[in-house]
Order: sequence, then structure tokens, then C-alpha cells
Amino acid sequence: GAVVSQHPSWVICKSGTSVKIECRSLDFQATTMFWYRQFPKQSLMLMATSNEGSKATYEQGVEKDKFLINHASLTLSTLTVTSAHPEDSSFYICSARDTGTGRNYGYTFGSGTRLTVV
Amino acid sequence: QKEVEQNSGPLSVPEGAIASLNCTYSDRVSQSFFWYRQYSGKSPELIMSIYSNGDKEDGRFTAQLNKASQYVSLLIRDSQPSDSATYLCAVNTLYNFNKFYFGSGTKLNVKP
Repeated sequence: GAVVSQHPSWVICKSGTSVKIECRSLDFQATTMFWYRQFPKQSLMLMATSNEGSKATYEQGVEKDKFLINHASLTLSTLTVTSAHPEDSSFYICSARDTGTGRNYGYTFGSGTRLTVV
Repeated sequence: QKEVEQNSGPLSVPEGAIASLNCTYSDRVSQSFFWYRQYSGKSPELIMSIYSNGDKEDGRFTAQLNKASQYVSLLIRDSQPSDSATYLCAVNTLYNFNKFYFGSGTKLNVKP
């Protein structure tokens, strides 16, 4: 089955610094990946759609200059949280779907990254 | 109006019972429907997908879809304590096949 690897699984950073999170599709190519954020006891909130070779599409209310997304290859998307602040502390999860088979499988999620800004 | 709605729960059932989780959606052109399970502190994992009206069974899990009434449900037979988790319903539409809309999830507690 489709496997999505996300790294790091957790990170603690100082306020004002930047953090990069990687999301890789291991056994398939993903032209589109999605980045979600989840606060404690809340549901997933879609932040942006990462498109290989083009600009990401951000959801309303998500600052594109703060959450930089790069999807330079068919297997790798990165999310950089710039000038992180304590309110950015959250669980960030990426997802992708293997469309190669032509079947409408659900998305596979990465293991998530727990970001704590101190 | 939210695109996908779920009762937040918690839904408590005794071990061995059938757990019934429900989800309603607002967009009539919703195309595909998925159920995910999320353990606390972990990312969601796909349990079932269903595309056509009716029932789809996979082991202890049965997904039911009724497009006329715009609801999809998940039945878990012989519930186990290890089934205790939050269950997320997700749908996509013809307008944007790649974009999934998630419900807020239903927390299930299976008591030994």
C-alpha cells in the first residue's frame, strides 16, 4: 500500500526561529500533497494543497508567507514554519494519494509532526 | 454549514457490542466517502472507503452509504477496547476530486 513518511516526528524550537517539515511518498509519486494542522481535541484543518512544480494553494486564513510550501519533486513536499511563535505549536500532518492505479483510494497520512514553540 | 458533520461523542459501548458511527454531508455531488481512525497523538489511518449506495463489509467493519439521505455510517461489530479512538468521516466531490472534507470526528470508547 501507499506509504507516506513524515519527518521529524517531533520538534521543539525557540520562538522566532524557522522549522522545516518533510513529507515523502515512499512507493508512489504524488503530484499533490496536503498539509493539515490539528490542535488538541480538534479535527484536522486543511492548511494548503501542495502542487508539484507549481505554487501551493492555501486555504482561507492561512498565511502563505508564514507557512512556506515547496513541492520540488514528485515524492517530496516540505512545509516551513517561519518565525514560529507559541501559537503555532500544533500537530502538523501531511497526506498524499496514490493516483497511479487509477482507483480512488483514500489519502494516506504521514505520521505527523508535533511542533512545540517555546 | 459544515460540509461534513459528525456527532463528537463520546460514544460508549461495551466490549463485544456493535458500535454505530454516523456522518452526514451537505454536498449532493459528493463522490467518495472514507472512514479514518485516529488514536490519540497519532495521525489518521484509513479503515474503509465506499463509493456506491449500500453496504460494504471488511472484517468487523461495515460502511453504509445512502446518497439520497446524504449520510454514511460505519458499524464496528464485536467492538474491542483497541477500537477506542476518534473516527473521522471524509468525502470528496466532483468539483475537486483531490480535496477531502473531514468531519470533526466521533470519539468512541469501548469499555472492557
